[in-house]
Amino acid sequence: DAGVIQSPRHEVTEMGQEVTLRCKPISGHNSLFWYRQTMMRGLELLIYFNNNVPIDDSGMPEDRFSAKMPNASFSTLKIQPSEPRDSAVYFCASSFGGHERYTFGSGTRLTVV
Amino acid sequence: DAKTTQPTSMDCAEGRAANLPCNHSTISGNEYVYWYRQIHSQGPQYIIHGLKNNETNEMASLIITEDRKSSTLILPHATLRDTAVYYCIVRGGNTGTASKLTFGTGTRLQVTL
Repeated sequence: DAGVIQSPRHEVTEMGQEVTLRCKPISGHNSLFWYRQTMMRGLELLIYFNNNVPIDDSGMPEDRFSAKMPNASFSTLKIQPSEPRDSAVYFCASSFGGHERYTFGSGTRLTVV
Repeated sequence: DAKTTQPTSMDCAEGRAANLPCNHSTISGNEYVYWYRQIHSQGPQYIIHGLKNNETNEMASLIITEDRKSSTLILPHATLRDTAVYYCIVRGGNTGTASKLTFGTGTRLQVTL
């Protein structure tokens, strides 16, 4: 099993540009989570899906952020327009069933200049 | 979800047991204790979880007090590769679908020669 796959690993973009982060969960997992990590705020949950349906997006900072899960094997997190304060490491995680045993991806390090 | 309290940092000599404490005095009857760790620049990694009985797996042991108000994660023979931030999280029981895990600031474990 290749684990949770995130792409790209690193992204550098200019302020105002659109950024799309991608995640492929582990096959068979039915829950997917997007987290953001910064030194100041630690690990924050942005949104999570169960069976491709968004359940809780209360952590999405503002309307510039959107997430989709069109099928069980793919999810995107989009920031439009990006701002320097969005610079962070974005993690995707997936799990199966009701126990909170997540598998995390390697993350995408986003730098907005 | 019950709040957890962990020491900010700990040191451990390589080869010795690392005992990481966690207080969760407001834990309710159906809440589990989860432990994750995050090695620098990687995504968090699941270690172990338990409800009330002590648990052991290939990575660690989890000791939960009888009143369930605190727990200890034990790494029996710490190595340099165990240097990481360790998170103790309390979350509700198995409901059939996953729900969110909230990560605090954790304990930074430094394993030294």
